[in-house]
Amino acid sequence: GENVEQHPSTLSVQEGDSAVIKCTYSDSASNYFPWYKQELGKRPQLIIDIRSNVGEKKDQRIAVTLNKTAKHFSLHITETQPEDSAVYFCAASFSGAGSYQLTFGKGTKLSVIP
Amino acid sequence: ETGVTQTPRHLVMGMTNKKSLKCEQHLGHNAMYWYKQSAKKPLELMFVYNFKEQTENNSVPSRFSPECPNSSHLFLHLHTLQPEDSALYLCASRDFEGANIQYFGAGTRLSVL
Repeated sequence: GENVEQHPSTLSVQEGDSAVIKCTYSDSASNYFPWYKQELGKRPQLIIDIRSNVGEKKDQRIAVTLNKTAKHFSLHITETQPEDSAVYFCAASFSGAGSYQLTFGKGTKLSVIP
Repeated sequence: ETGVTQTPRHLVMGMTNKKSLKCEQHLGHNAMYWYKQSAKKPLELMFVYNFKEQTENNSVPSRFSPECPNSSHLFLHLHTLQPEDSALYLCASRDFEGANIQYFGAGTRLSVL
């Protein structure tokens, strides 16, 4: 089965700096890689995702990069703000019609210091 | 709100109690999931239902019993739990025919005394 490793487990950055969270996956058949943000006491929410047919995707201050050969993908947050403080989870799966499981990383607790 | 509602939000129960967690989705999805979230662990998939049929049971102890009466509702029946079962239990749903984008509920924080 799929195995997802996520690093670092905690990350502190100054407001305005960039933050990078990295994940590796084991199953070369995986083709869908979402990132979820979970604020304290709230539900995980999808913030960005990428499919294996592209190498990078951006949405305002958030970007995700994917290296299929190396089987790793990363979340980049630029110009961090205090409201970016949360736990971020990466996940991997095969995507399509049918019953496919998301395999999650252990999460990264990001703290943005004002 | 994502359209996935879980009740109750908090639950405290003794080891001999029987309780149920409820999940309801208003997104027209037909696949639903139960996850367990413990501190410093990845989200652990417990059960998967597609079109009301259970398709995955990730070696979950029998003291957890899921029920899916229709595509919009999912229950998790709890009995004779252990203190180590204390965790946040999250429900999620997705469109079975679509991409694997899962929408989560806010969870039930369970404490077993």
